[in-house]
Amino acid sequence: KAGVTQTPRYLIKTRGQQVTLSCSPISGHRSVSWYQQTPGQGLQFLFEYFSETQRNKGNFPGRFSGRQFSNSRSEMNVSTLELGDSALYLCASGRTSGAETQYFGPGTRLLVL
Amino acid sequence: AQSVSQHNHHVILSEAASLELGCNYSYGGTVNLFWYVQYPGQHLQLLLKYFSGDPLVKGIKGFEAEFIKSKFSFNLRKPSVQWSDTAEYFCAVNFNSGNTPLVFGKGTRLSVIA
Repeated sequence: KAGVTQTPRYLIKTRGQQVTLSCSPISGHRSVSWYQQTPGQGLQFLFEYFSETQRNKGNFPGRFSGRQFSNSRSEMNVSTLELGDSALYLCASGRTSGAETQYFGPGTRLLVL
Repeated sequence: AQSVSQHNHHVILSEAASLELGCNYSYGGTVNLFWYVQYPGQHLQLLLKYFSGDPLVKGIKGFEAEFIKSKFSFNLRKPSVQWSDTAEYFCAVNFNSGNTPLVFGKGTRLSVIA
């Protein structure tokens, strides 16, 4: 069974631009969660989608948004990029929302110049 | 706010030494507990998890963890580490065992030297 895939793997953007990251969960999984990983803050939860609905949202500004499609694939968008948005963005999938074990993708490394 | 603490930022061990990484959380209710590992250049992988039952949980690659409810702890152990265990280890907690997101500790970097 294929794992969680994320595209692109690497991105370089400049301040003020926007970016869209994509995540395809494991087949049969309907929950997708997004995390931001930085050396200083560790892994911080961004949001979770389940059956195309946002179930939980972390403490990030409105520039960070996401959505989920009917095939459970998810995208997250960051608008008006700031230098501090440079990070590894991880996607995790699970069968259901809540307590279910999550399986992580390789991440998208975003560098904002 | 609910939080997860990993007190050791960086641990350096010689091969064959025993390992114990601490994880504490701040919540008195029902929790689900996880340890994830991130090997250099690889993605996060689940090492082990605890939902209920026997508080001593065995995971992959010889790792185990013990849930001590009275101490709000879920420490990770391995009797004899190998060079290939060099990685970053993350403790994560799902509070309320319900529709709440995973909260991760800041991670512990383990370096195993020959």
